[in-house]
Amino acid sequence: DGGITQSPKYLFRKEGQNVTLSCEQNLNHDAMYWYRQDPGQGLRLIYYSQIVNDFQKGDIAEGYSVSREKKESFPLTVTSAQKNPTAFYLCASSIQGGGGETQYFGPGTRLLVL
Amino acid sequence: AQSVTQLGSHVSVSEGALVLLRCNYSSSVPPYLFWYVQYPNQGLQLLLKYTTGATLVKGINGFEAEFKKSETSFHLTKPSAHMSDAAEYFCAVKVNSGYALNFGKGTSLLVTP
Repeated sequence: DGGITQSPKYLFRKEGQNVTLSCEQNLNHDAMYWYRQDPGQGLRLIYYSQIVNDFQKGDIAEGYSVSREKKESFPLTVTSAQKNPTAFYLCASSIQGGGGETQYFGPGTRLLVL
Repeated sequence: AQSVTQLGSHVSVSEGALVLLRCNYSSSVPPYLFWYVQYPNQGLQLLLKYTTGATLVKGINGFEAEFKKSETSFHLTKPSAHMSDAAEYFCAVKVNSGYALNFGKGTSLLVTP
């Protein structure tokens, strides 16, 4: 089955620690995205990538980093500079970045701070 | 810049009653509009979207929405609510030159027996 997988489902971060969230898609999509969801605030864009080896900051990129070395993969690192990382993180992909293309979402990773 | 306002963070309906979830957008250029549904601790699933053409859009699970440019609205409706419709619903807007979806804050739908 084609789709988007995210791992782990739950992730615990200690203070000062960097953690990496995995996102893999087998839909052959060019564009991939990372969103952060907080209760009552909808989803906010962290980073997006239109093509391999290229990515752009979204609205709330501070304290996060990404890489796009393969078309299928778009991992997100939450660095120690992100002071309030507790949230639900959603990865998405679309055939292309522009136009009215549908973004398909993964099941999410919930990050909690110890 | 484009934005979305969803009126009502919580909506409660009886099973079998009409579902109406409101979404208004602001955009200086023709928008693309989306409705997504999210069940607890899951990702988002597309219900329907408007890009061009017919302004009444039919989606999955019996939902539909009408794009009204004069009212800058894209309200989501379903004639008869089912218990399984209880979830969080998000309206989102995008423009042709952009890459990200701009989401509303969501509406939580409760369906009572």
